[in-house]
Amino acid sequence: GAVVSQHPSRVICKSGTSVKIECRSLDFQATTMFWYRQFPKQSLMLMATSNEGSKATYEQGVEKDKFLINHASLTLSTLTVTSAHPEDSSFYICSASPGTGRFEQYFGPGTRLTVT
Amino acid sequence: GIQVEQSPPDLILQEGANSTLRCNFSDSVNNLQWFHQNPWGQLINLFYIPSGTKQNGRLSATTVATERYSLLYISSSQTTDSGVYFCAVGAQKLVFGQGTRLTINP
Repeated sequence: GAVVSQHPSRVICKSGTSVKIECRSLDFQATTMFWYRQFPKQSLMLMATSNEGSKATYEQGVEKDKFLINHASLTLSTLTVTSAHPEDSSFYICSASPGTGRFEQYFGPGTRLTVT
Repeated sequence: GIQVEQSPPDLILQEGANSTLRCNFSDSVNNLQWFHQNPWGQLINLFYIPSGTKQNGRLSATTVATERYSLLYISSSQTTDSGVYFCAVGAQKLVFGQGTRLTINP
């Protein structure tokens, strides 16, 4: 149980275009979903927290207009990287929490974004 | 915010050896998780352990919340145990440590 999927697993896009990444909780309802970013050989950094039906809360230094997050249902959150630039190239990982009294997070397999 | 320190940063062992990974954190937490990140980047949940001791096969973990540390034990290491091990702590939001890169040589 507690499976989280992400799509696509990898994407290459041209500079200036937008890319959407989907995160789905497959066998549970996620009241809260999280988006992380990981650079090579580094740890995960939290970008934003989203609760179903409300606006996402962004961490300090993360541009909300560049990284659009939508949590439209209890099983789906999307991250859209708008007007992508090469410095946005990274590994993006989502997680989901059922929130039923436990704070445990379950992680998706990640999306590798390369902006050329 | 919460500070998380993992040690050692790198660990190289022979197959069959035992290892202990440590996670120190700076504040009381409601959530502590251990993960193994495989070579493809997937984070594998090992333990959800804000306190106490748990075991799963060759792996076990202990968190002493009052002293703000957690230990991950790996016994009889196998080459497939290689990868980066992360400790993450917090409440609703998680703060990740820098990880321990474990290499198990045959």
